[in-house]
Amino acid sequence: AQTVTQSQPEMSVQEAETVTLSCTYDTSESDYYLFWYKQPPSRQMILVIRQEAYKQQNATENRFSVNFQKAAKSFSLKISDSQLGDAAMYFCAYRSARGSNTGKLIFGQGTTLQVKP
Amino acid sequence: ETGVTQTPRHLVMGMTNKKSLKCEQHLGHNAMYWYKQSAKKPLELMFVYNFKEQTENNSVPSRFSPECPNSSHLFLHLHTLQPEDSALYLCASSQDPRTGGTEAFFGQGTRLTVV
Repeated sequence: AQTVTQSQPEMSVQEAETVTLSCTYDTSESDYYLFWYKQPPSRQMILVIRQEAYKQQNATENRFSVNFQKAAKSFSLKISDSQLGDAAMYFCAYRSARGSNTGKLIFGQGTTLQVKP
Repeated sequence: ETGVTQTPRHLVMGMTNKKSLKCEQHLGHNAMYWYKQSAKKPLELMFVYNFKEQTENNSVPSRFSPECPNSSHLFLHLHTLQPEDSALYLCASSQDPRTGGTEAFFGQGTRLTVV
């Protein structure tokens, strides 16, 4: 069975600085997707970034980028130029890409990010 | 109008009550999901429906009964719940995951309290 681990329950960053959130996962599959979701106090899970396992290039979305290390099964999220609106809980998630998959997402425990003005 | 809408936003119910959670998606997706988010636990998948057919039941107790009348609507019928069922229940939708649908889009959740 696949597992996702986020070892940092809480992180803090100064506004305009850079922060990296860690995520490791375990799977025997070779084809899968990895995601970072953000959950602000409004509770809605918002997709931040997506990575396909077959792509070697790290995904980037504006100030958000990932460091995907497939062999090490590591998938960290870097937030550059942090803004107050980035304060939220961040979840790392895994999804199989097998043809029989149901779309099930396996989530880590989450990291609460505090942004200090 | 948001892509995935859940009602009600908050619900307090007694252990003998029967209530239903509703989810509606306006994204043209075929797959819909129920997740449970408890305090200090990772989100857990409960059910998956694809083209109105249930494709996954993650060993959920029978006091939770899902219903998917069409690809746009998903319900979670609740009866004789326990206090430990108090949680945030999140609905999500995606394109058919078997044919390339990747991202799941979430609603804002229903905060359920069982007293």
